[in-house]
Amino acid sequence: GESVGLHLPTLSVQEGDNSIINCAYSNSASDYFIWYKQESGKGPQFIIDIRSNMDKRQGQRVTVLLNKTVKHLSLQIAATQPGDSAVYFCAENMAPASGTYKYIFGTGTRLKVLA
Amino acid sequence: DVKVTQSSRYLVKRTGEKVFLECVQDMDHENMFWYRQDPGLGLRLIYFSYDVKMKEKGDIPEGYSVSREKKERFSLILESASTNQTSMYLCASSLGTGSMNTEAFFGQGTRLTVV
Repeated sequence: GESVGLHLPTLSVQEGDNSIINCAYSNSASDYFIWYKQESGKGPQFIIDIRSNMDKRQGQRVTVLLNKTVKHLSLQIAATQPGDSAVYFCAENMAPASGTYKYIFGTGTRLKVLA
Repeated sequence: DVKVTQSSRYLVKRTGEKVFLECVQDMDHENMFWYRQDPGLGLRLIYFSYDVKMKEKGDIPEGYSVSREKKERFSLILESASTNQTSMYLCASSLGTGSMNTEAFFGQGTRLTVV
């Protein structure tokens, strides 16, 4: 079946360095993508999103890149801080027959920030 | 801010019990979702609802049912709890805007243990 996946299950980054988390998606009909951050014991929190008519979007210290040709999504975190340590999920948004947009999540990447 | 509230953070239930997980959102969102989260498997969709009294099966509906009698409340029901339903359960809601999809907002999760 179609799914969203991640290349690296765990990423260790030195504090202050930039982090890049990658995600592959397989549904070419998906037109909306979201990155979530989940800290231990909490629910996922929205970080940034991007629609399929864009290839780049920037937020505060974060940038999402979308390459529709190879169905690849990435999250870049600038100047990684200890508070960025968490599990990061990408999600694609697709509409089933009912017309309701539902979200398909990858398995997640754990980001560890080293002091 | 959107708030999605799950009634319990932790629950311990016995095998065979009927279990109710409650979720309330305060932003008048049309769409509500129930996911379970297991290590290595990410977030898997159990059921979702796009309107009051409307529901649709997700990817893993077996052993679960849902109820949406009011717009703000979406309940997940385990008809007869089993040990393989031990998991983290996450509720989410999103605005239903027809063709424009938006991010989902998550509750803090309910850690259910079935013994």
